[in-house]
Amino acid sequence: AQSVAQPEDQVNVAEGNPLTVKCTYSVSGNPYLFWYVQYPNRGLQFLLKYITGDNLVKGSYGFEAEFNKSQTSFHLKKPSALVSDSALYFCAVSATSFVNRLAFGKGNQVVVIP
Amino acid sequence: DGGITQSPKYLFRKEGQNVTLSCEQNLNHDAMYWYRQDPGQGLRLIYYSQIVNDFQKGDIAEGYSVSREKKESFPLTVTSAQKNPTAFYLCASSISATDTQYFGPGTRLTVL
Repeated sequence: AQSVAQPEDQVNVAEGNPLTVKCTYSVSGNPYLFWYVQYPNRGLQFLLKYITGDNLVKGSYGFEAEFNKSQTSFHLKKPSALVSDSALYFCAVSATSFVNRLAFGKGNQVVVIP
Repeated sequence: DGGITQSPKYLFRKEGQNVTLSCEQNLNHDAMYWYRQDPGQGLRLIYYSQIVNDFQKGDIAEGYSVSREKKESFPLTVTSAQKNPTAFYLCASSISATDTQYFGPGTRLTVL
């Protein structure tokens, strides 16, 4: 079975500083990895995904993530955080052999301080 | 939230009543999904459907039922057998079973 760990409940960062949201995963075989963002009382918005190829994936709104197979990690990053980036961020993983079954982490609340 | 609509946005139910949540998509996606979100627990898969007239149980299907009679519609019924139904319910769809899932705006169900 696949699983995701997002070790920090909340990430606080000053506006303009780099933002990192951590994600580690466990899956049998090769992973499909995703990041989503959720604003209060809204659905999830897709940010980016890793399927294969370059380990550095670029996504929406200036976000990027780096796939590290040896560390089973897929950390989300943004060089300069905005107050509008304050939201709940979810990492998700599925096995390439069973892509319907996404396993989500518990989410990280990001607070960007003006 | 794209072309996926969920209704109603808020729903209140008395204990012992069944209730049906609507999910419609105009994206021509083959696959559709239902998730439940509880605070601090992330999302959990209830049911999914890869094609019309076919669906499979997810991780927490007990107390729920679905149908997929049309490609664009995937309604979820929360039955009285669901012991703790108060939650935020999210519908998603994808072009195929192997593609990115896109989410609707959600329905917040509260049992009174």
